[in-house]
Amino acid sequence: DTAVSQTPKYLVTQMGNDKSIKCEQNLGHDTMYWYKQDSKKFLKIMFSYNNKELIINETVPNRFSPKSPDKAHLNLHINSLELGDSAVYFCASSLRLAGPSTDTQYFGPGTRLTVL
Amino acid sequence: SQQGEEDPQALSIQEGENATMNCSYKTSINNLQWYRQNSGRGLVHLILIRSNEREKHSGRLRVTLDTSKKSSSLLITASRAADTASYFCATPEGDDKIIFGKGTRLHILP
Repeated sequence: DTAVSQTPKYLVTQMGNDKSIKCEQNLGHDTMYWYKQDSKKFLKIMFSYNNKELIINETVPNRFSPKSPDKAHLNLHINSLELGDSAVYFCASSLRLAGPSTDTQYFGPGTRLTVL
Repeated sequence: SQQGEEDPQALSIQEGENATMNCSYKTSINNLQWYRQNSGRGLVHLILIRSNEREKHSGRLRVTLDTSKKSSSLLITASRAADTASYFCATPEGDDKIIFGKGTRLHILP
């Protein structure tokens, strides 16, 4: 009964390929996020969706395209992968938008992406 | 940017000792959160402290907030091996997101 799940856990691929990471939450939350954590553990927000509507697009290259088919799912598609995309990608959800709210964010286990 | 900055970057202590880590931030906030990340895992929420609170406890955790100094501290008492993890503070930025600091890596020695 994982609250926030991501697949795959590991993804190893060649430069130039296109890949997707899937995220699902069963908490009934309205808001979902994608974060990128680099090798120095710095966690940076990439996107957030609230009720399937894009709220934040944090100057992420347009090779990254999030898609939210419903409010329980937020997938991340990456085109033309580059070496610098290697990182751990975390999906998270919260009841409402962060910022004004005090709602906890619940994180998935992460997807370690390695681009060769 | 509002990003909180944790201090120290890394901390090693003996099991049973207390661990203290600090977070400083730049602009006024209405709350501050602490999260823990075990190796290879996602972040887990530990505690939230509001701007009108000075101190908050949760089990072996004690969090303080000093809004005049724009800083917070997280104290873990009687540390255990399972406390080995990275600890992040997070502060709101704007109306739609929270920003995480760079984290303190805590290592509990047996």
